Parts: sequence; C-alpha cells; structure tokens
Amino acid sequence: AQTVTQSQPEMSVQEAETVTLSCTYDTSESDYYLFWYKQPPSRQMILVIRQEAYKQQNATENRFSVNFQKAAKSFSLKISDSQLGDAAMYFCAILGAGNMLTFGGGTRLMVKP
Amino acid sequence: GAVVSQHPSWVICKSGTSVKIECRSLDFQATTMFWYRQFPKQSLMLMATSNEGSKATYEQGVEKDKFLINHASLTLSTLTVTSAHPEDSSFYICSASSDPSTDTQYFGPGTRLTVL
Repeated sequence: AQTVTQSQPEMSVQEAETVTLSCTYDTSESDYYLFWYKQPPSRQMILVIRQEAYKQQNATENRFSVNFQKAAKSFSLKISDSQLGDAAMYFCAILGAGNMLTFGGGTRLMVKP
Repeated sequence: GAVVSQHPSWVICKSGTSVKIECRSLDFQATTMFWYRQFPKQSLMLMATSNEGSKATYEQGVEKDKFLINHASLTLSTLTVTSAHPEDSSFYICSASSDPSTDTQYFGPGTRLTVL
C-alpha cells in the first residue's frame, strides 16, 4: 500500500512572497512518480508539477519547484512570487503500485493581497 | 496539457432515477480512465479504474452494480449511478491516461450530482 501525508491543512502567504507546502509519502515501489495538483474553487484538478523518482534533479515549472528527498520520502512544493490566482487546494499524489494515484489530504493555500 | 471533458457539469435528479456521466479525452487516446468521488473539503477517493474494451476494476467498498462503468472507446468512458439516492450526492471526477503506469492523469472538470 502507498500513502501520502500532507501535514498542513491550511497555509497562507502574502502576495509576491514564497511559500512551501509539505508532503511525505510511503511506498514499497522503487519506481514511482510524484505529482502536485491544484484544485481552485472551480474544482478542476490542474497538474502543477511532476517528478520521476529515478531522477535526482528537482522538477521546476516556472514559479513552481519541488524539493524531492527520496531517502526521506519527502516531496515539498515551493511557490515563488505568489499570485492571487495561486489560491487553491493543493494535493500531493503518488503514482506507483497498481498504477493507482494516491492523494494526500490536501493543503488549502490562501494568498493575501 | 491534455484535455478531458465531463458532461454534465451539474445534475439534479429525484431519488430512484439513474444518472449517466460522460468522460471524454478530447486530444489523446486514453487507454485507461479513472473515476473518483470527492466529498466536501476532502481528498479524491478512487472508485474504479476502467480500461478500454474490458470490465472496470472497482475499489473495495464500491458497489459495482450501483456504479456502472463503461469504457467503449479510447476517448469515452461513462459512469452510470443506478437508482440514485441522496447519499450518492457528491462530486464525481474522471481522469484519463494514455499509459497508467507512467503517464500523468489528466482530470475532467467534475460533475456535481444532487439527488433529492
């Protein structure tokens, strides 16, 4: 079985500042993929960033980057220069055993103007 | 990214009726589609996995006779909630993938089901 834990139910950040969302996971697989998805009030799930476990280099997508620590099974998301449109629920997820995507409980990010 | 559509976006029905929700991959062929259910302020819960041309695989606790899934083509999967009851009211989201073992799942916009 694989599990994903997001220990921060809510986070807030000032516009233009940087915020880091935490995620830890557990899996017995050696080959897996990690994702951050964003769910704004529209409830559309939007892919933010993806990381292959076999790659040591941390993935980046514009203002979004991850800190992937494989030994510690940690996969945090850093959002730089936060914008009002970044306000949403953020879900960390792992794709591994059984081709199943397992989600964490989510972190609600609020952005203050 | 790839685009996945869902229809309808919101449906209200009377208790006892059946409701069909469609999920389409618009610009890629989805060998596998997934159906999730999301309760308010909670995460997504996988209900079932469907592969084109074969029977769906249901997660433990999900009634296969209650939630009928059909994946007749590489671009379309349907979820039918049979004899819906108020406790079936929820937000249903589908996702699609061209390769479920490695590929990103792309999500539809979801369908809000309200059963009166």
